Amino acid sequence: KQEVTQIPAALSVPEGENLVLNCSFTDSAIYNLQWFRQDPGKGLTSLLLIQSSQREQTSGRLNASLDKSSGRSTLYIAASQPGDSATYLCAVIDYGQNFVFGPGTRLSVLP
Amino acid sequence: DAGVIQSPRHEVTEMGQEVTLRCKPISGHNSLFWYRQTMMRGLELLIYFNNNVPIDDSGMPEDRFSAKMPNASFSTLKIQPSEPRDSAVYFCATILSGTGDSPLHFGNGTRLTVT
Repeated sequence: KQEVTQIPAALSVPEGENLVLNCSFTDSAIYNLQWFRQDPGKGLTSLLLIQSSQREQTSGRLNASLDKSSGRSTLYIAASQPGDSATYLCAVIDYGQNFVFGPGTRLSVLP
Repeated sequence: DAGVIQSPRHEVTEMGQEVTLRCKPISGHNSLFWYRQTMMRGLELLIYFNNNVPIDDSGMPEDRFSAKMPNASFSTLKIQPSEPRDSAVYFCATILSGTGDSPLHFGNGTRLTVT
């Protein structure tokens, strides 16, 4: 059974710092991996999707990498801003379209 | 597109009452998921439909929970009778499955409080 963990559970950084969020999964037979952002009282918003054949995806200040063999993905946020404060969740998707979500990392960027 | 639309946004009801949550998927999306989110358990998959057919309902906690998708543009999740432990945020999410590069889109959820 696929298990997804995220480290750290919470992170507080000053504005402008570059930071890395980590996602680990136990079964490397994945179809793709997605990173989501959740703001309080809102649903999840997809940030980046990495297909199993890809190594990384970039969108603006966000870069996500995928290493299937080691069961890891990282989300890199450059030049963090207070507006980046949210909970970030990763989800791995298998070929049966089963989504398994991590518990999330709660990020606070202090002005 | 307006995205995934859920209603109501908030629902407060008394134990024993029937609750119906509604979801309108993004037009063209062929898979629909119902999730429940709590602080203790995180996001839990309740049921998943593909082309309006329930594929996996193993996450539905009890017979008190039922879900339907009568057509491609509407789904309901019903709890009857409701209990205080059902209090949570319920999310509907949809996707165009089979393409490999289509992200999952979530609605803003229904916050259910059962007293």
